[in-house]
Amino acid sequence: GQQLNQSPQSMFIQEGEDVSMNCTSSSIFNTWLWYKQDPGEGPVLLIALYKAGELTSNGRLTAQFGITRKDSFLNISASIPSDVGIYFCAGENTGNQFYFGTGTSLTVIP
Amino acid sequence: DTEVTQTPKHLVMGMTNKKSLKCEQHMGHRAMYWYKQKAKKPPELMFVYSYEKLSINESVPSRFSPECPNSSLLNLHLHALQPEDSALYLCASSHRQGPMNTEAFFGQGTRLTVV
Repeated sequence: GQQLNQSPQSMFIQEGEDVSMNCTSSSIFNTWLWYKQDPGEGPVLLIALYKAGELTSNGRLTAQFGITRKDSFLNISASIPSDVGIYFCAGENTGNQFYFGTGTSLTVIP
Repeated sequence: DTEVTQTPKHLVMGMTNKKSLKCEQHMGHRAMYWYKQKAKKPPELMFVYSYEKLSINESVPSRFSPECPNSSLLNLHLHALQPEDSALYLCASSHRQGPMNTEAFFGQGTRLTVV
């Protein structure tokens, strides 16, 4: 499989703070995706990015597809307790295979 | 509707058992996937089916045998598993194969425990 490095590995923040995480790869991807996963559940798609340089928002979430097509970031503004979970980036290659980043565990302290 | 349904939700099996995991989607997606996820790790790609044909096998041991009976269904047959195969098994589907961008939608997973 392909390796996607995600950072930070974990974050502990106060409610109301903004969060930023990013993902880098040695390979080029056609699509970058961001998922949230709660314990024992499947990943839920948050944002999909289709073009290099694209900046997309979904409510308090904003994500960007890097110009080199080898990286992406996700920002969460004004965090709330229900933002707790593990966030994964994923890249889709030309073979429609999806590979996941190493994950960022987010804890929001009320 | 972006629903991928997996059954069962939980499964406990002995090392000599044969069992199957099932996955179903009705979004008209023509690519379906099996992933394995260990605790605190990202999902790892196992198999990809494109138009009901196996297109990718990521060097998965033969004790895992996938099957795609039709465009809506995906099975994973399990036989002679080891305790280290215990994990969350995730099914996903995406719109199509080819150069166009697409997203993958995941089921809730089957929590498998091998005893």
